[in-house]
Amino acid sequence: QVTLKESGPGILQPSQTLSLTCTFSGFSLSTYGMGVGWIRQPSGKGLEWLANIWWDDDKYYNPSLKNRLTISKDTSNNQAFLKITNVDTADTATYYCARMKGYGGYWFAYWGQGTLVTVSS
Amino acid sequence: DVVMTQTPVSLSVSLGGQVSISCRSSQSLVHNNGNTYLSWYLQKPGQSPQLLIYKVSNRFSGISDRFSGSGSGTDFTLKISRVEPDDLGVYYCGQGTQYPNTFGAGTKLELK
Repeated sequence: QVTLKESGPGILQPSQTLSLTCTFSGFSLSTYGMGVGWIRQPSGKGLEWLANIWWDDDKYYNPSLKNRLTISKDTSNNQAFLKITNVDTADTATYYCARMKGYGGYWFAYWGQGTLVTVSS
Repeated sequence: DVVMTQTPVSLSVSLGGQVSISCRSSQSLVHNNGNTYLSWYLQKPGQSPQLLIYKVSNRFSGISDRFSGSGSGTDFTLKISRVEPDDLGVYYCGQGTQYPNTFGAGTKLELK
């Protein structure tokens, strides 16, 4: 059974760095073809893809935030991470991690429950 | 970036009825490997999105055959037959053919 769970600080101030953790089970990020992605959703709005990391440590970022994003993984502990630097109120959203599986292209097969992050002074 | 355009924005349906949601991409979603990575997701109220359909027409594990996906190139459709109360929510199409991954703005399915 595949499960993912996001964790984060809940609230942080503008200009700080947001650190998110995705803890998963039921698959390994060292298995060929596996990946984890991060997607966010401001309240009442649509989905915005942020970044992906693959089993071979290949990484992709949304160009609109590229300079602020860093994705990484800890295969031994079944975790993936996302850091967003210099946050502001526009980064307030629910952040999801999701498992991907694909060769060439991909889709988000399993999603976590999401973690709400509020940026406020 | 590939722009995903969903129509309609919202849809009212009677229980037991049938609906279709359209998703059009600004570029072909056919990958170099010949596959088309167009997927459909449903976000029920208060929940995270869930995968319904991947690669245009493949139902994900446990998804009812009342959901069907079709289309090719840049034009795709999700059909839901015999609508049930648990089908209500916001439907998103998404493409995983090229980076950056992009989603449609969503179609809200409501009861008439």
